[in-house]
Amino acid sequence: GQNIDQPTEMTATEGAIVQINCTYQTSGFNGLFWYQQHAGEAPTFLSYNVLDGLEEKGRFSSFLSRSKGYSYLLLKELQMKDSASYLCAVAGVGGSTLGRLYFGRGTQLTVWP
Amino acid sequence: SQTIHQWPATLVQPVGSPLSLECTVEGTSNPNLYWYRQAAGRGLQLLFYSVGIGQISSEVPQNLSASRPQDRQFILSSKKLLLSDSGFYLCAWRRTGTSGASYNEQFFGPGTRLTVL
Repeated sequence: GQNIDQPTEMTATEGAIVQINCTYQTSGFNGLFWYQQHAGEAPTFLSYNVLDGLEEKGRFSSFLSRSKGYSYLLLKELQMKDSASYLCAVAGVGGSTLGRLYFGRGTQLTVWP
Repeated sequence: SQTIHQWPATLVQPVGSPLSLECTVEGTSNPNLYWYRQAAGRGLQLLFYSVGIGQISSEVPQNLSASRPQDRQFILSSKKLLLSDSGFYLCAWRRTGTSGASYNEQFFGPGTRLTVL
């Protein structure tokens, strides 16, 4: 089976740094995605990691450790517009899981002024 | 460039009524297509996915069905809606025949908010 776990809610203040963790236990691994979803809208792509290490993209960074089944999304210089749900998803490898993404339940981040 | 459309954007239906949601993709060929449902405060639940015309895989045995009559068209249907069918329905597509970082990325449509009363 596939198990993706992330915290349900987090809060932070404007200008701060927040780290959203994701742990996974899956039967195969073909990369890990982070998506951002504002209320009532579709998820949009933030980052993709397939090798261990840190990927940096502006204010957002994502880290992966395949041996630990662990990833985190780091958001710096938080802005009010970063208030959203952040979804962690693992890509399946082959067979019936090829082309599938297995999503966690999402972490609702609230940024306060 | 590729775009994905879903309609309607919102829908309010009585229990027991039929349902038809449509999704179309432009600017790509032979995509993988997906239907997800997101209940309030919950994660994305995969309902159906398709790798080609007429090829549908079902993930959740419910009163919903899906069809892919054309390469870039994906339809979600029900003969009789239940209260539990309420939610946010998202269609997504994925490129095929490519490799690299974007190989597994899924692109989501704007969604349909369904309320069953």
